Amino acid sequence: ETGVTQSPTHLIKTRGQQVTLRCSSQSGHNTVSWYQQALGQGPQFIFQYYREEENGRGNFPPRFSGLQFPNYSSELNVNALELDDSALYLCASSLELGEDTQYFGPGTRLTVL
Amino acid sequence: QKEVEQDPGPLSVPEGAIVSLNCTYSNSAFQYFMWYRQYSRKGPELLMYTYSSGNKEDGRFTAQVDKSSKYISLFIRDSQPSDSATYLCAMKNYGQNFVFGPGTRLSVLP
Repeated sequence: ETGVTQSPTHLIKTRGQQVTLRCSSQSGHNTVSWYQQALGQGPQFIFQYYREEENGRGNFPPRFSGLQFPNYSSELNVNALELDDSALYLCASSLELGEDTQYFGPGTRLTVL
Repeated sequence: QKEVEQDPGPLSVPEGAIVSLNCTYSNSAFQYFMWYRQYSRKGPELLMYTYSSGNKEDGRFTAQVDKSSKYISLFIRDSQPSDSATYLCAMKNYGQNFVFGPGTRLSVLP
């Protein structure tokens, strides 16, 4: 069984640019959640996708958007990057919607200069 | 006041010590409580999951929830250097998404 994978591992962008982060969920998991973890902080919920539809969103502006594909992999897109977007972006997958047990990927470290 | 609070540490203990990690929270509607361990440069890994008040034990780990005090704890017995990590508590209400604490950094010294 393959765990949650994320790419890229690290990314450096400049302010105003756009970025796409990718996540492959654990085999058989149809629900994916994205989190932002700033240095020294706990993960903050960005949004969740279930069967290709957004199902819940945290307190993040619309320039944070996402997609889920038929194979349940997912993308997080961030437009008009700001310095404060520098963080570890974590993807977590769950077997089903409403399942509390979620499995995290290793994250993508984004640095905005 | 943040919704979930944790002492950020770092907490340093000698190998073999009993470690107590704690979170307080303000939302009395929280019913589901989790503890995650996060090693440096890795994603969080689920350690313990409890529902409502009470205790749960799994090997060297014991989770306690006191909803009347809005206080949860994770105890680690016979701590090992491999337990050195950041410990995150997370909690939620039914149908909602998890709210994480900021984490406590633990260092177990050999």
